[in-house]
Amino acid sequence: SQQGEEDPQALSIQEGENATMNCSYKTSINNLQWYRQNSGRGLVHLILIRSNEREKHSGRLRVTLDTSKKSSSLLITASRAADTASYFCATDAPSGGYNKLIFGAGTRLAVHP
Amino acid sequence: EAGVAQSPRYKIIEKRQSVAFWCNPISGHATLYWYQQILGQGPKLLIQFQNNGVVDDSQLPKDRFSAERLKGVDSTLKIQPAKLEDSAVYLCASSPAGGRGSEQYFGPGTRLTVT
Repeated sequence: SQQGEEDPQALSIQEGENATMNCSYKTSINNLQWYRQNSGRGLVHLILIRSNEREKHSGRLRVTLDTSKKSSSLLITASRAADTASYFCATDAPSGGYNKLIFGAGTRLAVHP
Repeated sequence: EAGVAQSPRYKIIEKRQSVAFWCNPISGHATLYWYQQILGQGPKLLIQFQNNGVVDDSQLPKDRFSAERLKGVDSTLKIQPAKLEDSAVYLCASSPAGGRGSEQYFGPGTRLTVT
């Protein structure tokens, strides 16, 4: 079952604009992670935010987490054509003493030059 | 450091045939995962190994899928017999130790087409 649900499913913007993607989930988590997937490639880890954190930055990425609303957002500032990819949130939930990532269906981002 | 290696990159088979995928994780990573990603969806965990033991295979269709991780390093995932709905990208990932609170490193995937 997929816990995270991303919104929107697809997003099309111009270079230089900001892109915001949202993720909602259902159960308690240890942390939430965002991954990027370029067409036909594997997933690349972008950022991890722990359940006791509210905001985290990495370069042009800003992630927020609201555990009371069970939601997270990923903001990409000053987007570039190279940011064109699918973005997935993944919730890290307890599973028999280990972590288990449950991925959402993703947001497909297209950045036009 | 070398990333997660997978082979083959592409495979086309007919339904009812068998197929096997291979994965070599990042050196020293104790946890290895196999995911199935159907077009337009996010990855779904099939099986998770800690060293050479299975810690989660709740979503593995055990009547047709099997996986092993010999000596806690390389892993193979097998489908026998394949069905049309098995067409997907099969991703292998690894993480350092138990994976609690850590990122996963993904291989490039194997794209399987069942005709």
